[in-house]
Amino acid sequence: QSALTQPASVSGSPGQSITISCTGTSSDVGSYKIVSWYQQHPGKAPKLMIYEGSERPSGVSNRFSGSQSGNTASLTISGLQAEDEADYYCCSYTTSSTFLYVFGTGTKVTVL
Amino acid sequence: QVQLVESGGGFVKPGESLRLSCAASGFTFSDYYMSWIRQAPGKGLEWVAYITSSDTTIYHADSVKGRFTISRDNARNSLYLQMTGLRAEDTAVYYCARERGKSFTGMDVWGQGTTVTVSS
Repeated sequence: QSALTQPASVSGSPGQSITISCTGTSSDVGSYKIVSWYQQHPGKAPKLMIYEGSERPSGVSNRFSGSQSGNTASLTISGLQAEDEADYYCCSYTTSSTFLYVFGTGTKVTVL
Repeated sequence: QVQLVESGGGFVKPGESLRLSCAASGFTFSDYYMSWIRQAPGKGLEWVAYITSSDTTIYHADSVKGRFTISRDNARNSLYLQMTGLRAEDTAVYYCARERGKSFTGMDVWGQGTTVTVSS
């Protein structure tokens, strides 16, 4: 079972928008519109930022948005802020026999 | 407030056992499905196990199947992960997490994690 593919790093200046991609297969992202996204600061637990592909939990800034098309999901952060600097992981249900959920490889977001 | 607190991690030798616990508070534990997720040092997240609210359905990742067992006690608001036959590759921070819904839509509450180190 391979992890979902994410870019290792993405960077942007304060106020800019960035997009993180998450590429899977027809066994996961391509078949289920239920990708979730997590933010993780160093030494901290992950935090849910997006669920069901594009829904935001209560309390999450509307600067975070998600989308899905085919085998790829995306997380966009608009109006980039210093506190957005963290690792981000996508996650999808999968019909693989090995796992129930498959996570992405993770993307380090750097605010320049 | 809604909270999950893990405990039970530690330093063990290969082949030994540990039991992790996760204490839930601030919500009706018996209404929610739960998962364990782990993160090896400097690595990404890996899903480990999942249990429905009445433990009628349980899943384990192939990497731990036959060695780890997820369980819960709704009367004690607690989730457990019994780990046997531990290996060096099981070294990780283990998180318990609350499932948002009943259709694999994500995990909305996470504990702070407990560290398991397996080394001779």
